[in-house]
Amino acid sequence: DIQMTQSPSSLSASVGDRVTITCRASQTISNYLSWFQQKPGKAPKLLIYAASSLQSGVPSRFSGSGSGTDFTLTISSLQPEDFATYYCQQSYGTPRVTFGGGTMVEIK
Amino acid sequence: EVQLVESGGGLVQPGGSLRLSCAASGFTFSSNEMNWVRQAPGKGLEWVSYISSSGSTKYYADSVQGRFTISRDNAKNSLFLQMNSLRAEDTAVYYCARVRYSGNSPYFDHWGQGTLVTVSS
Repeated sequence: DIQMTQSPSSLSASVGDRVTITCRASQTISNYLSWFQQKPGKAPKLLIYAASSLQSGVPSRFSGSGSGTDFTLTISSLQPEDFATYYCQQSYGTPRVTFGGGTMVEIK
Repeated sequence: EVQLVESGGGLVQPGGSLRLSCAASGFTFSSNEMNWVRQAPGKGLEWVSYISSSGSTKYYADSVQGRFTISRDNAKNSLFLQMNSLRAEDTAVYYCARVRYSGNSPYFDHWGQGTLVTVSS
């Protein structure tokens, strides 16, 4: 199975900060990469698909980049509602998709 | 509006069985591949099973192979997960998720709210 390594596992940031989360695949996955946001007790919510495409309804402060093995999720200006856990997911090995371990974004 | 609503979770003893359901609405269910994904308490996301739009192709994670069975009823817009020989490590919230494609790149665009399965004596 393709392994996905996310970093950092957690971070503390302030409202207005620029936040970057990275995800590395154990093999090349082209652009078959999604990013999800999850809040406590809620289902994951799709933010980015195909590495850089913004899901409909998601604020433009979220962006994704990368291809091959290295990917990045950026929040350009952190808002109070953005404090959550973020997961990357590869679908190159579909249907055997795998997720990163998650990055918890906390309030500084 | 796309909606996925899971049901059927609960408390079950080790070795027991449970059948989860996922009721779909707001889209043409029979046109979409579907998956089950689970999340153990305080842990990350783990893919469990996949089913093609027609139901003819199915895949399972190694951790559930031989114990879980995925199925669907396109006439009733429903997805199922039959879980047998349950173990403590199967304790998790189970989500159903719809697959969409961007070119050849699949992604999970809608998820249900989840149903909690607790395996304990």
